[in-house]
Amino acid sequence: GAGVSQTPSNKVTEKGKYVELRCDPISGHTALYWYRQSLGQGPEFLIYFQGTGAADDSGLPNDRFFAVRPEGSVSTLKIQRTERGDSAVYLCASSLYLQPRVAGGELYFGPGTRLTVL
Amino acid sequence: GESVGLHLPTLSVQEGDNSIINCAYSNSASDYFIWYKQESGKGPQFIIDIRSNMDKRQGQRVTVLLNKTVKHLSLQIAATQPGDSAVYFCAERGGGSNYKLTFGKGTLLTVNP
Repeated sequence: GAGVSQTPSNKVTEKGKYVELRCDPISGHTALYWYRQSLGQGPEFLIYFQGTGAADDSGLPNDRFFAVRPEGSVSTLKIQRTERGDSAVYLCASSLYLQPRVAGGELYFGPGTRLTVL
Repeated sequence: GESVGLHLPTLSVQEGDNSIINCAYSNSASDYFIWYKQESGKGPQFIIDIRSNMDKRQGQRVTVLLNKTVKHLSLQIAATQPGDSAVYFCAERGGGSNYKLTFGKGTLLTVNP
């Protein structure tokens, strides 16, 4: 079946602009995660959703970052007043359940959106 | 001029050899560990996981070993193939209601034919 998809695959923007990154999780997956990966680093947690609600947004770096999942499926990560330091690959992942320690809890990652802020 | 490199730990092996990738974790409360493989331009791909009440788990051509005493995790890949070339990350999840994955820095595995 279809995996996690993310659009756009690449986004180049200018400092100060607003961007939206979209994630389509695997159908039926209730948990959705956003991670950010800088060059040469492992993914860094940003936020996760259980259904429509943000269960934990403690990884969002500041109030310029916001994410929504209004219908419990597609999610959008929104970044206001982008800065050069926001440049990274933004990864989305979904899992069948929030509980990672049982079958169906594994995260399935999308290919990511590469954001470049000039 | 100065260049910024990846500074990833690297492991280079010959095709057919066994590979061992190591990872140290810091949170003694972590109770679940996962190994991911990431190829260039792709998201991380699940390989194998292990719970903290185990010290070894085997999959197809892969084995994960967990040593909680020294907070060390390893991934063994048998008969390494060129398709195994990628960056490998270990990840840990804290105990209780903490569902966030914390990733290590990664190891670049290169398999020479």
